[in-house]
Amino acid sequence: GAGVSQSPSNKVTEKGKDVELRCDPISGHTALYWYRQSLGQGLEFLIYFQGNSAPDKSGLPSDRFSAERTGGSVSTLTIQRTQQEDSAVYLCASSSTGGSSNQPQHFGDGTRLSIL
Amino acid sequence: GDSVTQMEGPVTLSEEAFLTINCTYTATGYPSLFWYVQYPGEGLQLLLKATKADDKGSNKGFEATYRKETTSFHLEKGSVQVSDSAVYFCALSDRGADKLIFGTGTRLQVFP
Repeated sequence: GAGVSQSPSNKVTEKGKDVELRCDPISGHTALYWYRQSLGQGLEFLIYFQGNSAPDKSGLPSDRFSAERTGGSVSTLTIQRTQQEDSAVYLCASSSTGGSSNQPQHFGDGTRLSIL
Repeated sequence: GDSVTQMEGPVTLSEEAFLTINCTYTATGYPSLFWYVQYPGEGLQLLLKATKADDKGSNKGFEATYRKETTSFHLEKGSVQVSDSAVYFCALSDRGADKLIFGTGTRLQVFP
């Protein structure tokens, strides 16, 4: 597609369940980023991929959060044993090269995650 | 660590008024600076950027100048429209680091 695609657009789940969020970056973009947008914390960086490797995972809030990227394309963010504080909009972005100083990041519409 | 501070909202203006949204930053290196915009019901979009001191980014009538001496990147528009109503985020990316660090966002409401 023309832009970054995220699915599902909305996810409601019970506390303690695992969830998987998917991101399909712009074709050919080697860099992929996950962010979280929540009321109390604003927009926070979670993890950055260059190709299939993740040189920066510094924003993942706990070991319940993990992410992978395969084939240099699709990425999945997994949250295990969800907690109510995980409720947020999870945003994915991609850019044509690593180093957002030079190339802008293009964002998807996000997945709104609600933990009951 | 690096950080971005921007003015609290909401900013409420009448159509054709002058807009300023203040943004200041703290960074150890020489960051690139960005303004992103989020229109109601839409995703984040890059509005403009500047990569070095004294650069001016501009787009859709919006401008911001990278001021190293005051560590600022204030967003301005001479005449706002109702369609400019959105949340505006200032952000930085330090050279060698790939993540964006965002401010808290400023909601702009423009009334006819």
